[in-house]
Amino acid sequence: YVLTQPPSVSVAPGQTARITCGGYNIGSKSVHWYQQRPGQAPVLVVNDDTDRPSGIPERFSGSNSGNTATLTISRVEVGDEADYYCQVWDSSSHHVVFGGGTKLTVL
Amino acid sequence: EVQMVESGGGLVQPGGSLRLSCAASGFTFSSYSFNWVRQAPGKGLEWVSYISTGSTTIYYADSVKGRFTISRDIATNSLFLQINSLRAEDTAVYYCAKEGATSSSFDHWGQGTLVTVSS
Repeated sequence: YVLTQPPSVSVAPGQTARITCGGYNIGSKSVHWYQQRPGQAPVLVVNDDTDRPSGIPERFSGSNSGNTATLTISRVEVGDEADYYCQVWDSSSHHVVFGGGTKLTVL
Repeated sequence: EVQMVESGGGLVQPGGSLRLSCAASGFTFSSYSFNWVRQAPGKGLEWVSYISTGSTTIYYADSVKGRFTISRDIATNSLFLQINSLRAEDTAVYYCAKEGATSSSFDHWGQGTLVTVSS
């Protein structure tokens, strides 16, 4: 199973960033999103398509339908600049799958 | 507070072995499943292995199957990864990651330990 993310997304502060994650019938799977700042471990920002872990700002939200899942970051801040990864569990192969990652640049 | 601390990384020659450890605290270790995830320098995240509660179910990525062995010890609240027959392409930061109680997401990660395979 393959997850496809755009290598990079750029957005101005205060605007909305949308990062996509494409996969065959991904809408039937639970998608999780991670933020990784340089030199740091990944942090879970959205789990199970739309849920936000404790401590994650409401500016982070997710959706999932058809062949595309999306992480939306509203009112983007300079501190949101990071790499973002989507992840699913592929039950057919019994493998965890990560997308290739998207570098978010805040202009 | 949930804490996960990896150790055991280092420089090893091709064909060599290492045993990575992940010491967990701040939660009931026996109640959760765990994973190892690695990240080669400048690259993305790559899942390595999964172990369920009670060690009853174990999975490996195709790239490491037959060379890596995951295990856990509830007496010491520790997760392990035995890595054998190391190759240059195994060079990476290795993270241990805890799964959520009701989700397959990884809700807590360690800080990572670097494994460098080079002669």
